[in-house]
Amino acid sequence: AQSVTQPDIHITVSEGASLELRCNYSYGATPYLFWYVQSPGQGLQLLLKYFSGDTLVQGIKGFEAEFKRSQSSFNLRKPSVHWSDAAEYFCAASGTGRRALTFGSGTRLQVQP
Amino acid sequence: DAGVIQSPRHEVTEMGQEVTLRCKPISGHDYLFWYRQTMMRGLELLIYFNNNVPIDDSGMPEDRFSAKMPNASFSTLKIQPSEPRDSAVYFCASSSTGRGDTQYFGPGTRLTVL
Repeated sequence: AQSVTQPDIHITVSEGASLELRCNYSYGATPYLFWYVQSPGQGLQLLLKYFSGDTLVQGIKGFEAEFKRSQSSFNLRKPSVHWSDAAEYFCAASGTGRRALTFGSGTRLQVQP
Repeated sequence: DAGVIQSPRHEVTEMGQEVTLRCKPISGHDYLFWYRQTMMRGLELLIYFNNNVPIDDSGMPEDRFSAKMPNASFSTLKIQPSEPRDSAVYFCASSSTGRGDTQYFGPGTRLTVL
């Protein structure tokens, strides 16, 4: 069965520190991969996506993610976190056949001043 | 471009009542998705349409749930009768085959069934 795993439920970092959120997927073939961010009471905003090609993808708000086929991972990174980055982050995947997204359980990011 | 529009934003109803959630996708998008978000189950697909035709409804919980897409610019998700366990945030999303499969989400409808 297709699945997306985010092993960290909650992460706390200090403002200005670097960030890495983990995501692993289990799919029959390389899926399309996405990271979305959700602020409290809001919808989901796309941060970045990977379809093919360069395994390091750049997104909005200074985020980047690296696709590693050998590890079935698509980790999200940011070199310096801002207080406004506090939110919940979802990794998601879809296949070339089935268009619906399979979401991970989310990682809640807290930023300390 | 206007984004995905959902209404109402909040709905409070009593158990047994009919609830109708509405969605207007982004103009020109040919895929429409309904997702549900709960604390227990996270974000899960309910149903999706392509060119107004339901493609995958495997996530629809039971016969109390139904979804329609009468035209390219409107979809409804109906729950009849509603139950307290249906309380959740319901998201609508749309995408276009020609824009790399990226799904754009609406703000969601927070449903509370008392």
